[in-house]
Amino acid sequence: LAKTTQPISMDSYEGQEVNITCSHNNIATNDYITWYQQFPSQGPRFIIQGYKTKVTNEVASLFIPADRKSSTLSLPRVSLSDTAVYYCLVGDEAAGNKLTFGGGTRVLVKP
Amino acid sequence: DAGVTQSPTHLIKTRGQQVTLRCSPKSGHDTVSWYQQALGQGPQFIFQYYEEEERQRGNFPDRFSGHQFPNYSSELNVNALLLGDSALYLCASSLQGPPSQYFGPGTRLTVL
Repeated sequence: LAKTTQPISMDSYEGQEVNITCSHNNIATNDYITWYQQFPSQGPRFIIQGYKTKVTNEVASLFIPADRKSSTLSLPRVSLSDTAVYYCLVGDEAAGNKLTFGGGTRVLVKP
Repeated sequence: DAGVTQSPTHLIKTRGQQVTLRCSPKSGHDTVSWYQQALGQGPQFIFQYYEEEERQRGNFPDRFSGHQFPNYSSELNVNALLLGDSALYLCASSLQGPPSQYFGPGTRLTVL
């Protein structure tokens, strides 16, 4: 499974855009890139997933360059409730492969 | 449509005891995975069940065992509890194929 590296923490203010970059130099051809959000004492919540280029949903956007060695999660106009830990995962989840979590990025949104 | 549910919410045990945690997957999901999350760390994969069999296992001792029932619900059993087993235990469900898992709220286990 490809190892991921992401910043330990980030601070932002309400209304700003937050961009979290994740490095995954050893990503394999069949690997997807998935981001989860986790609040204290709750289970991780699926945010977005992509394979290449750009993916956008109602919550976030995921930018993946052509070499796929990194990805950037973009959270537009964050609010206080977006304060959480964000995990970047890389792997081929088909056929029931396990998820390997790193330490995640702690995002603190200030008023 | 109910998501993943887990019971109990909280549990306190003493060293050496045994514990059973329960998980009901999201409707339509057939695969259940269990994770252990220590305070301040990311979840660590314990094992995964599909068609009532353990398909994959993480780096956890045999004290950790599980079961999946015909209705796809699952149990996690931990024997001979240690202080280090104190953690949030997460259950995630998925379908074979689509690459995403849905997590339950977790069970907070405290071992004294």
